Amino acid sequence: QVQLVQSGAEMKKPGASVKVSCKASGYNVTIYSIHWVRQAPGQGLHWVGSLYPNDDTTDYARGFQGRVTLTSDTSVNSVFMELSSLRSDDTAIYYCARRRSGVIAGQHITWLDAWGQGTLVTVSS
Amino acid sequence: DIQMTQSPSSLSASVGDRVTVTCRASQMISTYLNWYQQRPGKAPKLLVYAASKLQSGVPSRFSGSGSGTDFTLTINSLQAEDFATYYCQQTYRTPTFGQGTKVEIK
Repeated sequence: QVQLVQSGAEMKKPGASVKVSCKASGYNVTIYSIHWVRQAPGQGLHWVGSLYPNDDTTDYARGFQGRVTLTSDTSVNSVFMELSSLRSDDTAIYYCARRRSGVIAGQHITWLDAWGQGTLVTVSS
Repeated sequence: DIQMTQSPSSLSASVGDRVTVTCRASQMISTYLNWYQQRPGKAPKLLVYAASKLQSGVPSRFSGSGSGTDFTLTINSLQAEDFATYYCQQTYRTPTFGQGTKVEIK
């Protein structure tokens, strides 16, 4: 059974950094990309970035460039998201999700088929 | 970035109703469109991928359609557990989500 289990809630001060972990079970984390999505309180979903643990290829959303770093430790089947220079508007739930893909009607389609439970990051002075 | 606009933002319906949620992309995205359900306090759950492919284990009352810029998620015979917020997501370019449609009990 595929599961993604994230680390617990964090409370940080403005300007600090936070590192959230996402541990995969039921499959080898090197096989599929892991994406990160955040959700501010009462708001919608926003893509943060992605990491392919097999070769550490990363892709980041424009709004997070330079502040977010995605890494992996395949020895513990885990991926990590570090967000620096935290601001109050970074307060949100951060989700990791596994990306699957397939060729459908000649097109390479991707989707997020398994999600972690989410990690609440609160930024407050 | 490609903008995804869902309508309505919220709707009220009764158990047994047929519900339709629409999603419009700001440019052509072929069938690079997924639908997710999010219940309160829970992580999103994949319902439909590639615009019309039902994810394994998802009840057949859910269906997706569309291509290009206009897409639809339909729930036939709404059940109590379907009251949730639904999001579309495009993966044609840098992934973006719609703002969500909250399905509430009438």
